[in-house]
Amino acid sequence: QSALTQPASVSGSPGQSITISCTGTSSDVGRYPDVSWYQQHPGKAPKLIIFDVSDRPSAASNRFFGSTSGNTASLTISGLQTEDEAHYYCSSYTRSRTLVFGGGTKLIVL
Amino acid sequence: EVQLVESGGGLAQPGGSLRLSCETSGFSFSIFGMSWVRQAPGKGLEWVSGISDSGGSTYDADSVRGRFTISRDNSKNTLYLQMNSLRAEDTAVYYCTKDVSRAITHMDVWGKGTTVTVSS
Repeated sequence: QSALTQPASVSGSPGQSITISCTGTSSDVGRYPDVSWYQQHPGKAPKLIIFDVSDRPSAASNRFFGSTSGNTASLTISGLQTEDEAHYYCSSYTRSRTLVFGGGTKLIVL
Repeated sequence: EVQLVESGGGLAQPGGSLRLSCETSGFSFSIFGMSWVRQAPGKGLEWVSGISDSGGSTYDADSVRGRFTISRDNSKNTLYLQMNSLRAEDTAVYYCTKDVSRAITHMDVWGKGTTVTVSS
C-alpha cells in the first residue's frame, strides 16, 4: 500500500491554470475509475472536490477538472484564485480493496 | 444538515487502547460506507479503516491491521474504531468520513476530527 506520488508543491498566479499529478500503479489508479481529489485548508477538515476521476460534487467549484491517463491522475484548476491556496490530496481504490492517498501537494498562489 | 461528530480521543500510553466514536445525523447512516482517516502532525492524510453499509465487510490499512477494529451500530447511527496496541506513530487527528456509496470509494463528508496522542 505505497502512497500515490504527488509533487510536494506547485505554484501559479491568479487567473492562471495549474495541474497537479498523482501517479500510482496498475493496481490502483491504472485499474479503477475510483480516483478522488480533496482540498484541505490549514486547520480544517478535507473537502471532496472530484470523485470518479472527473465528477464534481454539487458544492465544488466548476474550475476544478479531473482526468486520468494510464497510472496517472491529474487535477487541473483553472482561473486560479487566492482562496485556492491549500493542500490537495488524491486518493484511489486499490486491488487490495483498500483506499490509498497521495502524499499531498501544497498549492501556492503567487 | 449532515453531521459527523467524533469523540474518544486523548492521551494513551504505548501499548494501550482507545475507542473512538463517531455520532452521525442528517442522513440515512445504514446505506453508506464509512471510513476513518488520520493525519499525523504536519503530515498528509492516511486512510485507516473502512466498513460497508451493513457492516458485513471491513477493510484495514496494513499499518493498523490486527491492532485496530472498525465497527458500526446502524441502530445508533454510530461508527467506532477500537484501537489496541497503540504506538507513537498512531499519534494523529482521526477523521470520521462518510462515503458516497455503500462501499468505500470516495469520502464526501468529514467530521472535524478527534486527536489521539500516544506517549509515555
